[in-house]
Amino acid sequence: AQSVSQHNHHVILSEAASLELGCNYSYGGTVNLFWYVQYPGQHLQLLLKYFSGDPLVKGIKGFEAEFIKSKFSFNLRKPSVQWSDTAEYFCAVSGTYKYIFGTGTRLKVLA
Amino acid sequence: SAVISQKPSRDICQRGTSLTIQCQVDSQVTMMFWYRQQPGQSLTLIATANQGSEATYESGFVIDKFPISRPNLTFSTLTVSNMSPEDSSIYLCSVELEGRTEAFFGQGTRLTVV
Repeated sequence: AQSVSQHNHHVILSEAASLELGCNYSYGGTVNLFWYVQYPGQHLQLLLKYFSGDPLVKGIKGFEAEFIKSKFSFNLRKPSVQWSDTAEYFCAVSGTYKYIFGTGTRLKVLA
Repeated sequence: SAVISQKPSRDICQRGTSLTIQCQVDSQVTMMFWYRQQPGQSLTLIATANQGSEATYESGFVIDKFPISRPNLTFSTLTVSNMSPEDSSIYLCSVELEGRTEAFFGQGTRLTVV
């Protein structure tokens, strides 16, 4: 069955700390991979996406993610977080089937 | 990109009543989607709403409970019928644009059933 697992439900970091959020998926066929972010009181926004080519993709606000096909993973990283990165982050997969979302990771960055 | 407006943004409803959520898009889109996000859970697709045809429901969701209208290419409604506290959730409208791989989302409707 298709699924997306996000390993961390809640993450608390201090400003300038490095961030890595794990995402593993189970999905048949060719996949498109996404990270969405939802800032408090706002709608879901695309952070970055992968559908082919360089497995290291860069998104907005200094975020990047690496697609490792052998591990079925698409982890999100940022070398130095800011207070404004406080938000909920969702990993998602789409392809032949519909979008499948992970349960989300709530990130709180302490100033 | 697409700008998606959902109304209402939140509501508190009595059990047994129904609520209709509206989704307006600033451009014409073929496919519109309705998702539910229950507390602590991921987004779950309820149905796909295509203009001119009946909505396609996912497993576990039925038209009698979640009737959907799609009168034109920029608008859709989702009704949550005969509500119970278990329907308390965030309901999200989403669209995909021609030639784009990502989905765009409305701000969601936070529904509380008491």
